[in-house]
Amino acid sequence: DSGVTQTPKHLITATGQRVTLRCSPRSGDLSVYWYQQSLDQGLQFLIQYYNGEERAKGNILERFSAQQFPDLHSELNLSSLELGDSALYFCASSVASTSTGELFFGEGSRLTVL
Amino acid sequence: GIQVEQSPPDLILQEGANSTLRCNFSDSVNNLQWFHQNPWGQLINLFYIPSGTKQNGRLSATTVATERYSLLYISSSQTTDSGVYFCAVVRGLRIWGKLQFGAGTQVVVTP
Repeated sequence: DSGVTQTPKHLITATGQRVTLRCSPRSGDLSVYWYQQSLDQGLQFLIQYYNGEERAKGNILERFSAQQFPDLHSELNLSSLELGDSALYFCASSVASTSTGELFFGEGSRLTVL
Repeated sequence: GIQVEQSPPDLILQEGANSTLRCNFSDSVNNLQWFHQNPWGQLINLFYIPSGTKQNGRLSATTVATERYSLLYISSSQTTDSGVYFCAVVRGLRIWGKLQFGAGTQVVVTP
């Protein structure tokens, strides 16, 4: 158990819909990261938050947005869903705000868009 | 961005065999981690090893940062070692959190 909690574990929805994925970081970790794992793209970095502020952005679509709340949990919002958004979405957390910290990953949220 | 290449892409082992997985990266790094993704999709931390050598049970890892590669050793493999092994790196101190993953090595351990 990494200490990072993600909900829901599985989600099935239809094209055009909107979903919210939730992540609770390990106790004491200030950084939260979101990653997408799809069959054709591998593990892709989406976005990082540190103590409520956005720190880095990767290949995140405009239809996707995220935020980190004062209690440090984070949510990833995916809207106008397309078939290609079906993927495993991981949240990770670390203590550090820079690149020198170890990241711990949650178990992922598996999204299926039909 | 930084390139991360893992080899071999696939590996089939008989239970009890030893193996070495390699990760080459194209630039200096400040963070290097090895992960095991099990058949259920969970990403499990194996090593945080920007440099040096570490051991954890039957697994060990070595990173030679100056030569831009890392090795993961699996000894006396077991069927539970099956899954995908990922190497991931972060280049530099100014790039926040962009842990760049390699494509992984798919390992199958047969009884």
